[in-house]
Amino acid sequence: AQTVTQSQPEMSVQEAETVTLSCTYDTSESDYYLFWYKQPPSRQMILVIRQEAYKQQNATENRFSVNFQKAAKSFSLKISDSQLGDAAMYFCAYSPQAAGNKLTFGGGTRVLVKP
Amino acid sequence: NAGVTQTPKFQVLKTGQSMTLQCAQDMNHEYMSWYRQDPGMGLRLIHYSVGAGITDQGEVPNGYNVSRSTTEDFPLRLLSAAPSQTSVYFCATRTSGSYTQYFGPGTRLTVL
Repeated sequence: AQTVTQSQPEMSVQEAETVTLSCTYDTSESDYYLFWYKQPPSRQMILVIRQEAYKQQNATENRFSVNFQKAAKSFSLKISDSQLGDAAMYFCAYSPQAAGNKLTFGGGTRVLVKP
Repeated sequence: NAGVTQTPKFQVLKTGQSMTLQCAQDMNHEYMSWYRQDPGMGLRLIHYSVGAGITDQGEVPNGYNVSRSTTEDFPLRLLSAAPSQTSVYFCATRTSGSYTQYFGPGTRLTVL
């Protein structure tokens, strides 16, 4: 069974600084997708960024970027120029291409942003 | 477009009661799923559907029933609620051309 592990329960960052969230996953599949979702206090799940495993290039969306290491099964999220609105729970998620409706989530990392 | 809508937003039930959580989407997405989120945890898949008339079980299906008669709607039924089903429930959809799932706003359910 696939598992997703986020080893940092909580991370704190100063406004305008950079923070990196860790995620590792376990799978025997070769084709899959990885996601980072943000969940603010409103509890809405918001897609931050996604990565296709077949792509070597790391995905980037504005201030958010990932470091995807397929051999190491690692998928970290970097938030640059942190803003107060970035404060939320962040979840790493995995979906195999063969069963694309089955998202497996990590336990989440709470990000606190200090003004 | 409303996207993915869920009703109700909050619900309190007594043990043994039944209810249906509603999920509707106007994006014509083929795939729909139900997840539950327990405190301090990520979401876990309950049931999913790949199209009208087709459903399958996810990771934690016990105690829940689903059916899908239309593309737009995917209701989740609790036949006899138990305190262990106290959770936040999310509906999600995706199109067959993309692996990205889009989530509804969630329903917070408390079973006393």
